[in-house]
Amino acid sequence: QKEVEQDPGPLSVPEGAIVSLNCTYSNSAFQYFMWYRQYSRKGPELLMYTYSSGNKEDGRFTAQVDKSSKYISLFIRDSQPSDSATYLCAMISSGGSNYKLTFGKGTLLTVNP
Amino acid sequence: DSGVTQTPKHLITATGQRVTLRCSPRSGDLSVYWYQQSLDQGLQFLIQYYNGEERAKGNILERFSAQQFPDLHSELNLSSLELGDSALYFCASSVDGTGSGELFFGEGSRLTVL
Repeated sequence: QKEVEQDPGPLSVPEGAIVSLNCTYSNSAFQYFMWYRQYSRKGPELLMYTYSSGNKEDGRFTAQVDKSSKYISLFIRDSQPSDSATYLCAMISSGGSNYKLTFGKGTLLTVNP
Repeated sequence: DSGVTQTPKHLITATGQRVTLRCSPRSGDLSVYWYQQSLDQGLQFLIQYYNGEERAKGNILERFSAQQFPDLHSELNLSSLELGDSALYFCASSVDGTGSGELFFGEGSRLTVL
């Protein structure tokens, strides 16, 4: 079983839809949870960063973490064509003074105008 | 623009050859990370350097090596190239070496091995 599982999609939605992106994980040592967004032919960029169970909101984006179920989600409200990108979940576990970052494989999202 | 610069953007070479990818981190960042991204494997961590010293190693093949120079730029050397090495190679940088913070990625170097 992979440490981080993410449905690769592709996911295609109409403009204005609510998008739900999800990842599950198996390693209980993961403490920090992130979502990166990667546009075509670009490097990933950090979108959301959270370390506790619950919800974190930033504009149209909400990150949700459920540590008991080992499940994280990213919700995008009122999706826009500019949100079309690959979304990668990422998780950090600590080991002494160093941390290990593990990425999901990414979900390709297309928002159609 | 993340502030991380990678060269070259595209590289086409033959099996058995050797290539060098170069990365300049964001100003002030001491840590450099190398990642390989392919469709089937996703983003795979290769190696991390912090202030010139190797800090962490991931799934890096023995045919690959990296270093970070005193001016903090880094190079990833790929040798005895195989078809399966074709991928996007990303460099990322961060302020500290713990790996707990945000990573800033370059735009990647696309390697094609024929």
